[in-house]
Amino acid sequence: DAGITQSPRHKVTETGTPVTLRCHQTENHRYMYWYRQDPGHGLRLIHYSYGVKDTDKGEVSDGYSVSRSKTEDFLLTLESATSSQTSVYFCAIGGPPSGSYEQYFGPGTRLTVT
Amino acid sequence: QKEVEQNSGPLSVPEGAIASLNCTYSDRGSQSFFWYRQYSGKSPELIMFIYSNGDKEDGRFTAQLNKASQYVSLLIRDSQPSDSATYLCAVEGSGGGADGLTFGKGTHLIIQP
Repeated sequence: DAGITQSPRHKVTETGTPVTLRCHQTENHRYMYWYRQDPGHGLRLIHYSYGVKDTDKGEVSDGYSVSRSKTEDFLLTLESATSSQTSVYFCAIGGPPSGSYEQYFGPGTRLTVT
Repeated sequence: QKEVEQNSGPLSVPEGAIASLNCTYSDRGSQSFFWYRQYSGKSPELIMFIYSNGDKEDGRFTAQLNKASQYVSLLIRDSQPSDSATYLCAVEGSGGGADGLTFGKGTHLIIQP
């Protein structure tokens, strides 16, 4: 979906380094989400935001933090990357102005922690 | 903990036949249900959502919901090779939609030409 971009699309980093992934939307949706997808586990929610500066933890939030200072941007930070955080990370958007709860996904970021 | 269960497959269906994908969920308070299609190496793409018991049709796709049995299904009629993908069932939590979806692990569908 052209209305959601993620950067970087690919990243290789070393254990112990901080990493920030960015999600940018042009659709003006109120809710934004970060998921990770791993073989055997499917998509799991890391953190979500229900408005500017309003965020909450998801199912697998340990080792991650988020920030949302503008409607269009949602940042995911790995404070000290570990090999277990090697994954594909997807951002999603949803909620108002849509009247329903479907979510639309960005293209993903493939992160490798060595 | 909310759970969404799908048969991982692979489910192999001849071209032109009906593909039937099934999903069960644990949270009886869930109100909204979604089907996503994901091609290898790509992001999930929303193809159907359903909120009410019964059937909802969109082109070749039909979603079916039975809240009493906590069961959601997706039928794909006249299956095409381009339908070969992993299909993810997702359920909105009873918290009202802002707090994310719970996904099944997906069913890998193969349409045989």
